[in-house]
Order: sequence, then structure tokens, then C-alpha cells
Amino acid sequence: GENVEQHPSTLSVQEGDSAVIKCTYSDSASNYFPWYKQELGKRPQLIIDIRSNVGEKKDQRIAVTLNKTAKHFSLHITETQPEDSAVYFCAALSGGGSYIPTFGRGTSLIVHP
Amino acid sequence: ETGVTQSPTHLIKTRGQQVTLRCSSQSGHNTVSWYQQALGQGPQFIFQYYREEENGRGNFPPRFSGLQFPNYSSELNVNALELDDSALYLCASSVHPTGGGRETQYFGPGTRLLVL
Repeated sequence: GENVEQHPSTLSVQEGDSAVIKCTYSDSASNYFPWYKQELGKRPQLIIDIRSNVGEKKDQRIAVTLNKTAKHFSLHITETQPEDSAVYFCAALSGGGSYIPTFGRGTSLIVHP
Repeated sequence: ETGVTQSPTHLIKTRGQQVTLRCSSQSGHNTVSWYQQALGQGPQFIFQYYREEENGRGNFPPRFSGLQFPNYSSELNVNALELDDSALYLCASSVHPTGGGRETQYFGPGTRLLVL
């Protein structure tokens, strides 16, 4: 089955800095890669996603890049703000009909004012 | 916020008891997935339901079972509760991939289960 590794487990930055979270996956058949943000005590919320036919996607301060050859994808947050502080999860979905995501273990992002 | 709802929000049970958790999917979604999220971990896939049938299962024992109803809502049942079952249980609804690749999952607020 799919295996997703996520790094770092904790990331501390100053407000205004950029933050990068990296994930690797094992199943070359995976073709959909969502990122979720989970604030303390709340549900995971989709913030951005990318499909395997695209190398990069941006949405305001958030971007995701995908390298299919190396089987890794990354989340980039620019001009970080204190409200970006949360746990971020990456996931990879294999095809085959079930479209079941495998999640990384999460990155706790702390943005210091 | 998504239109996915779950009940109850919190639950305390003792070892050996049984529990039923409920999930109502977002309007227009026909697939429900259940996850277990232990503290400090990512969500672990339990199973997925589509058209009232199990459509995939993670590495969980048979005492974890589920149902999906004609209105696409779903239940998660756990028998013979163990201490390690204490976790946040999340459901997520989506449209089955045959619906045009819109497989994005939207999570409910979760049920926090504590087993004593």
C-alpha cells in the first residue's frame, strides 16, 4: 500500500517568513495530493490540492509543487501570519476505484508574531 | 465550514462496551469515509462506503464495522472497546470518482471518544 512521509514534524518561523513542508510517497500510481490544515480542536480543512498532471499550483500565499519522478510534493506558504499556525497534513490518493487517501503524520507550524 | 455533521461530539465509554457514531454527508456527496485520529497523529483510514457497501478498508479489526444509508449518511460501530480506541473519529464525505474525478474529501467536526 501507499506510504507517505512528512517532514518536518515541527516548524517554527517568524511572521512574514516563508514555510515549506515536504512529503514523499511510495506508490507511483498515486495521482491526487491534497493538503489539509487542522487548527487545535477543529476538523481538517482542505487548503489546496494538486493532481499528477500538474507540476505546480498556487492560491494566494499558498503553493504546492509536485515532482512525480522523485515522488515528492511540497507545500509552500509565503508571508506567514500568526493565523497560519496549525497542523498541516499532506495526503496521497492511489487510483483503483476506492480513492482512499493515505495521510502523513502532520507538521505543526508555529508562526511567531 | 463543510456541510458534514457528526454526532455525538464527545463520548465516554468503558472497556468492553460498544459505541455507535453517526455522520451526515454534505449535500450532493455519495461517499463517506471514516478515520481514526490519535493525538498528535494524522488521520488513519478505517473504511469507506459507497452505495451502501464497503468500498475499501484500512488495517482495522472486524470489531470496527459500518453502515451507509440510502440518504448517504453513515454509522461507525465499534464493539468490545479497548483503551487504545480512545481517539478523534472523523468522517469525510466526497463524490465517488466516477462522478468526474471530484474525489476531494470534506471532513466533519469529529467525535472525541474516551475509553476508560
